[in-house]
Amino acid sequence: DAGVIQSPRHEVTEMGQEVTLRCKPISGHNSLFWYRQTMMRGLELLIYFNNNVPIDDSGMPEDRFSAKMPNASFSTLKIQPSEPRDSAVYFCASSPPLGRQETQYFGPGTRLLVL
Amino acid sequence: AQKVTQAQTEISVVEKEDVTLDCVYETRDTTYYLFWYKQPPSGELVFLIRRNSFDEQNEISGRYSWNFQKSTSSFNFTITASQVVDSAVYFCALSEARGSTLGRLYFGRGTQLTVWP
Repeated sequence: DAGVIQSPRHEVTEMGQEVTLRCKPISGHNSLFWYRQTMMRGLELLIYFNNNVPIDDSGMPEDRFSAKMPNASFSTLKIQPSEPRDSAVYFCASSPPLGRQETQYFGPGTRLLVL
Repeated sequence: AQKVTQAQTEISVVEKEDVTLDCVYETRDTTYYLFWYKQPPSGELVFLIRRNSFDEQNEISGRYSWNFQKSTSSFNFTITASQVVDSAVYFCALSEARGSTLGRLYFGRGTQLTVWP
């Protein structure tokens, strides 16, 4: 079975450019999470969706960040305009409904470098 | 508030030694879930184990074992006879139920384990 799929795996861009990260959750999972990992802050939640609806976006840094989940099999995280401090690894994770081996499974991550 | 503390930032051991990674958590919920993830040098986050708050049974899986104690709010992870391939960062995490699904994960800062040959 395919796990969580993220693209691109690596992204290098210049400050001010728009960046779009993509995620395909595991089929049948009803929750999707976006996390960011940095040395300074560790692993932190940006936003999560349940049944395609945003539930908690308290971790989204500012208006430059936006996330969408147009359907159950696809989500995007967009940064516009990007800044050097956005450099990090961005992980997408998905989990099934409770009662079905409740666990968050992570994608391989997108390593973002903003110059 | 929910919080996970991994007091050990780095641990170094020699192969075949046993090692225990500590995890202490805080939550006001009565229903919650605890996890351990492994992050090898390649960077992915690999799920190791999940425990819910109603199941305090310890678990053993090969060389790995987990000790969950609600009385001390701890969920410690022991690797027996460590191997070089165990070298990684290990994260403990906490989640609560939110309606019909898991809520967000609260991660500890991780413990870097280095196993020397």
